[in-house]
Amino acid sequence: GQQLNQSPQSMFIQEGEDVSMNCTSSSIFNTWLWYKQEPGEGPVLLIALYKAGELTSNGRLTAQFGITRKDSFLNISASIPSDVGIYFCAGQLPLPAGNNRKLIWGLGTSLAVNP
Amino acid sequence: NAGVMQNPRHLVRRRGQEARLRCSPMKGHSHVYWYRQLPEEGLKFMVYLQKENIIDESGMPKERFSAEFPKEGPSILRIQQVVRGDSAAYFCASSPQGGRANVLTFGAGSRLTVL
Repeated sequence: GQQLNQSPQSMFIQEGEDVSMNCTSSSIFNTWLWYKQEPGEGPVLLIALYKAGELTSNGRLTAQFGITRKDSFLNISASIPSDVGIYFCAGQLPLPAGNNRKLIWGLGTSLAVNP
Repeated sequence: NAGVMQNPRHLVRRRGQEARLRCSPMKGHSHVYWYRQLPEEGLKFMVYLQKENIIDESGMPKERFSAEFPKEGPSILRIQQVVRGDSAAYFCASSPQGGRANVLTFGAGSRLTVL
């Protein structure tokens, strides 16, 4: 099935460092979503983006919807130990006539933070 | 305002038995999605349902797996004659009918172990 290219696959950083991850696609999306999954839990929505060029922040997290509508990035500033988890991007293609709203997912970026 | 409720959280089955996983969507949500996640891997889409309708089952294995979302009651993911390879975390998500309907809210998952 269709998939987004998410990178990096994993990151191991020191507490206080900034983090950047991104997702790219060969297709145009009309929605980008960023989720975080902690061990043993389901993914939790961090940021939703709906317009090309949109830049949205949620605390220390900032995400942008690329101008080409084919990419998005997520930045985390001044990382802390509780940022540990897997970060997933997800996008939705422009709706076809059948109105199938299934999301396309990246494989995730695993983040480890060394205190 | 309860979120997406999944049960059981953990399920152990022997090979050949049946597994039934339940999902109650968020109040007011009419769309349910099931995903499978293997350890250290991303989310794999299985099926998308509205009340009494399967919208997209392109991610469901052709045999032994079925899903339903009846008019009353939770959505059920049913796995017949389980095999060891079915061991995974199964996540349910829901979304509302209109508006920014493609934003999914996930449950905490059901972890199936097949002995």
